[in-house]
Amino acid sequence: AQSVAQPEDQVNVAEGNPLTVKCTYSVSGNPYLFWYVQYPNRGLQFLLKYITGDNLVKGSYGFEAEFNKSQTSFHLKKPSALVSDSALYFCAAGGNTGFQKLVFGTGTRLLVSP
Amino acid sequence: ETGVTQSPTHLIKTRGQQVTLRCSSQSGHNTVSWYQQALGQGPQFIFQYYREEENGRGNFPPRFSGLQFPNYSSELNVNALELDDSALYLCASSSTYNEQFFGPGTRLTVL
Repeated sequence: AQSVAQPEDQVNVAEGNPLTVKCTYSVSGNPYLFWYVQYPNRGLQFLLKYITGDNLVKGSYGFEAEFNKSQTSFHLKKPSALVSDSALYFCAAGGNTGFQKLVFGTGTRLLVSP
Repeated sequence: ETGVTQSPTHLIKTRGQQVTLRCSSQSGHNTVSWYQQALGQGPQFIFQYYREEENGRGNFPPRFSGLQFPNYSSELNVNALELDDSALYLCASSSTYNEQFFGPGTRLTVL
């Protein structure tokens, strides 16, 4: 069965510092991996995806993610955090069916302090 | 903002009642997926509709059912509501083999 783990409930970082939000996955076949962000009382907003190709994926708002097949990880990164990045971040995976059923992690709350 | 809309925004029901939630997909998208997000949890896949046919279902009982219409909008119906059905229900639309775009959700409270 597919699964996604986000080991940190919360990540705290100071504005201007780099941030990393961790994600590991377990899927059958080639993984299709996604990051979404959720602001309070809002739906999920798509940030980026990995399907194939370059292991470093660039997405919206300066975010990027690094796919590591040997470690089955897909960590979200940003070189310089903004206070406005504070939100709930979800990693999701689709397996062989790719874009059919997405399995989500439990989410990581990012708190960026001024 | 995505072009996915959901109605209503909030809904309060009592146990045993039935509810219908609605979703309008983004223009050009032929696939709609529904997810349940309980408080403090990640979204859980309920089912997906592709060109009016169910195209995959998660671990939800049959009292969760759905429809997709020719214009690709969709409904989620839940019968015999239980307290544990209280959650944010998210609709996502996508075109074939592309990422899903989510609507703002409907928050359902079951008393």
